[in-house]
Amino acid sequence: AQSVSQHNHHVILSEAASLELGCNYSYGGTVNLFWYVQYPGQHLQLLLKYFSGDPLVKGIKGFEAEFIKSKFSFNLRKPSVQWSDTAEYFCAVKARGSGNTGKLIFGQGTTLQVKP
Amino acid sequence: KAGVTQTPRYLIKTRGQQVTLSCSPISGHRSVSWYQQTPGQGLQFLFEYFSETQRNKGNFPGRFSGRQFSNSRSEMNVSTLELGDSALYLCASSLVSPDTQYFGPGTRLTVL
Repeated sequence: AQSVSQHNHHVILSEAASLELGCNYSYGGTVNLFWYVQYPGQHLQLLLKYFSGDPLVKGIKGFEAEFIKSKFSFNLRKPSVQWSDTAEYFCAVKARGSGNTGKLIFGQGTTLQVKP
Repeated sequence: KAGVTQTPRYLIKTRGQQVTLSCSPISGHRSVSWYQQTPGQGLQFLFEYFSETQRNKGNFPGRFSGRQFSNSRSEMNVSTLELGDSALYLCASSLVSPDTQYFGPGTRLTVL
């Protein structure tokens, strides 16, 4: 069965620290990859996505992610976090193919707390 | 462009009752997916509709059903509510291609 694993459940950083959140998935076929963020009291928002091409993708608010196909990974990075980055981050995978239409598989989420 | 809207935002029901939740997708989006979010199970896919047809379904009991109207608006229904159905129910809409899903604010359902 397809699954997504996020390595860190809770991360605490000070402002200006660098961030890397791990995400691995299990699926042997072609996938679309996403990172979503849920700020306190707000709905899920798309941070960035990877469909094909350059495996290093840039998203909003200075976030980027790198797709490493051989490692089935799609890690999220930000060089310098801000207090406003405090949120829950979700990695999601969509397997391509007719049997997977409209279905995102989500990781468990990582709560990021940034201390001012 | 207006985002995905969901109504109502909050609901309180008792066991055994049924509930209907509504989702209006972003204009032009014809695919609507539904998810259940709970602290224990995280975000789980319920089903997806496109052009009034259910194209995919997750591993939920038959008490969970949905439909989509010709204007792409979607509803989901949960019958014979159980305590474990308490959750945030999220709706997401997307174009056919690229199929990036955009989420609504969710409906918080509490079953007493």
